[in-house]
Amino acid sequence: EADIYQTPRYLVIGTGKKITLECSQTMGHDKMYWYQQDPGMELHLIHYSYGVNSTEKGDLSSESTVSRIRTEHFPLTLESARPSHTSQYLCASSESGGGPSTDTQYFGPGTRLTVL
Amino acid sequence: RKEVEQDPGPFNVPEGATVAFNCTYSNSASQSFFWYRQDCRKEPKLLMSVYSSGNEDGRFTAQLNRASQYISLLIRDSKLSDSATYLCVVNIGILEGFKTIFGAGTRLFVKA
Repeated sequence: EADIYQTPRYLVIGTGKKITLECSQTMGHDKMYWYQQDPGMELHLIHYSYGVNSTEKGDLSSESTVSRIRTEHFPLTLESARPSHTSQYLCASSESGGGPSTDTQYFGPGTRLTVL
Repeated sequence: RKEVEQDPGPFNVPEGATVAFNCTYSNSASQSFFWYRQDCRKEPKLLMSVYSSGNEDGRFTAQLNRASQYISLLIRDSKLSDSATYLCVVNIGILEGFKTIFGAGTRLFVKA
């Protein structure tokens, strides 16, 4: 089992609130990712990081921001939540250095966000 | 055109059936391939890697056809517990290293 954790698991919040979704992994992985997934729909990469102080935007435009101050921690922040942000947010990590053949992503359990 | 394409299904099969999924990729710089499984309202989990020579893990067989740019997953003797969405995943070489592309997934329902 992968050691990657996300909190909270479920969050219901009002419009305009600032929220931070937490993601931590204890595997020492350099690479971390945030995906957004609506029910029954495909994964969309919204942010990724290849190491401390490295963050990049993914393929899907997102109003969220991320930071990577420590290897094990990759929080995602929404400054002002809106109903359109309602979705599931999945964090993942993978080990760098092994090349594409061995770079497989391990996912956390996800945070299901509902913005009223 | 998406870089990784899958038949969304759903595939509805009885227990014990054999079912096969295909996945096509368009980028010739694709280097490695995987199948992930995602249960309803859960996170994706690695099912198996796909090797050029093909590989088998119990009831599951994965194959790669580089010439035609597709990979396949065969499930024999389907179980109720095989019901899930199966995601095709490709690592594509880019200047900075490589990037990972997830397919949209194929839904499988196995019925008693």
